[in-house]
Amino acid sequence: NAGVMQNPRHLVRRRGQEARLRCSPMKGHSHVYWYRQLPEEGLKFMVYLQKENIIDESGMPKERFSAEFPKEGPSILRIQQVVRGDSAAYFCASSIGGANEQFFGPGTRLTVL
Amino acid sequence: GENVEQHPSTLSVQEGDSAVIKCTYSDSASNYFPWYKQELGKGPQLIIDIRSNVGEKKDQRIAVTLNKTAKHFSLHITETQPEDSAVYFCAALFSNDYKLSFGAGTTVTVRA
Repeated sequence: NAGVMQNPRHLVRRRGQEARLRCSPMKGHSHVYWYRQLPEEGLKFMVYLQKENIIDESGMPKERFSAEFPKEGPSILRIQQVVRGDSAAYFCASSIGGANEQFFGPGTRLTVL
Repeated sequence: GENVEQHPSTLSVQEGDSAVIKCTYSDSASNYFPWYKQELGKGPQLIIDIRSNVGEKKDQRIAVTLNKTAKHFSLHITETQPEDSAVYFCAALFSNDYKLSFGAGTTVTVRA
């Protein structure tokens, strides 16, 4: 019974490039959340998605960031024209339904040079 | 959004002793309080949670207590072991919401 899968685990990008982070939820889970963790800080909510729908993106920067969860395939967090301040660990979580236990993946550690 | 404060930020205990981490929250309508353990280089792992209709919950060496009136909840780890060393995060979920608000974390070190 695989848990939440994220890839890549580590991603290095130069300023101005694009970063694509992928998340496959646990089997049977249709709710996906993305959180960002800056060094030595707690996790901050970014976006909540269900299949083909963005439910809440209030924590996501308005520019350069986007997220999707298509009918088929993993959820994608996309960061365009990355800047050094985007360097962080990005975690995906999934749940069976909203307001239920959220289980986290291992994260993608993004480094922007 | 919900504001969660967590104390202490670091905690060092002797193996076999107990560790206690405390969190306070601002929104009285919060009704779900999970605790996560994060080891270096890994994602947060849910270790125990409590809902607002319960005052205490225990799972082997780990227990969580909730005081709704005072709006605080605590994690208790008894008989600590070296493998308990990690960063622990508390979180709160506002009623009818779905995004967790996290505390800043507590780095627990268990000395052998």
